[in-house]
Amino acid sequence: QVQLVESGGGLVEPGGSLRLSCGASGFTFSDFYMSWIRQAPGKGLEWVSYISGSGITIYYADSVKGRFTISRDSAKSSLFLQMNSLRAEDTAVYFCARRRRNYDNIYAFDIWGQGTMVTVSS
Amino acid sequence: DIEMTQSPSSLSASVGDRVTITCRASESINNYLNWYQQKPGRAPHLLIQAASSLQGGAPSRFSGSGSGTDFTLTISSLQPEDFAVYYCQQSFSFPPTFGQGTKVEIK
Repeated sequence: QVQLVESGGGLVEPGGSLRLSCGASGFTFSDFYMSWIRQAPGKGLEWVSYISGSGITIYYADSVKGRFTISRDSAKSSLFLQMNSLRAEDTAVYFCARRRRNYDNIYAFDIWGQGTMVTVSS
Repeated sequence: DIEMTQSPSSLSASVGDRVTITCRASESINNYLNWYQQKPGRAPHLLIQAASSLQGGAPSRFSGSGSGTDFTLTISSLQPEDFAVYYCQQSFSFPPTFGQGTKVEIK
């Protein structure tokens, strides 16, 4: 079935780095934009980054621009998020999500992974 | 960025109640509005796309309406499995933004 599974979260000190992975199955990975969305403990949802199916088009939220890098490997149906210069405010559950457009070209995040927790603390 | 404001932030309701959640955008977003349900410890789940299009598998007691800046999510008869946090999200302009969430609790 259609599924996304994240991995790579953990505890890291401020200023440190971490690389998240998201494995996709059950759909043609290269056909879809993919995204990372995060949720700080007890808080709402914050979009982090997009990457197009080809990997050519990439967007970031201002809060992570210059520190995070999104990438994908379509041969392995995998999405990645390299996080550098981590700050306490980056502490969150990180979800990968598939972006789907409907017939009116309105997109939504229709498939989500279970999330992986990133804690930035000394 | 377009700001999305939900009301109320939380509500208490009983099984069988009709529940309405409102989402307001800081500028017009046509019908580029999605609704998600999130249960504790779980990922969000897409309920409604494009303001009123119920996703496959979502119960028919859920409905969405609105256009422009004002939107509503209605649960016609609240069921025990509907107690969760609900988020609206706009996809009209970059970056995509979410409302702060509405927690539906058991009365």
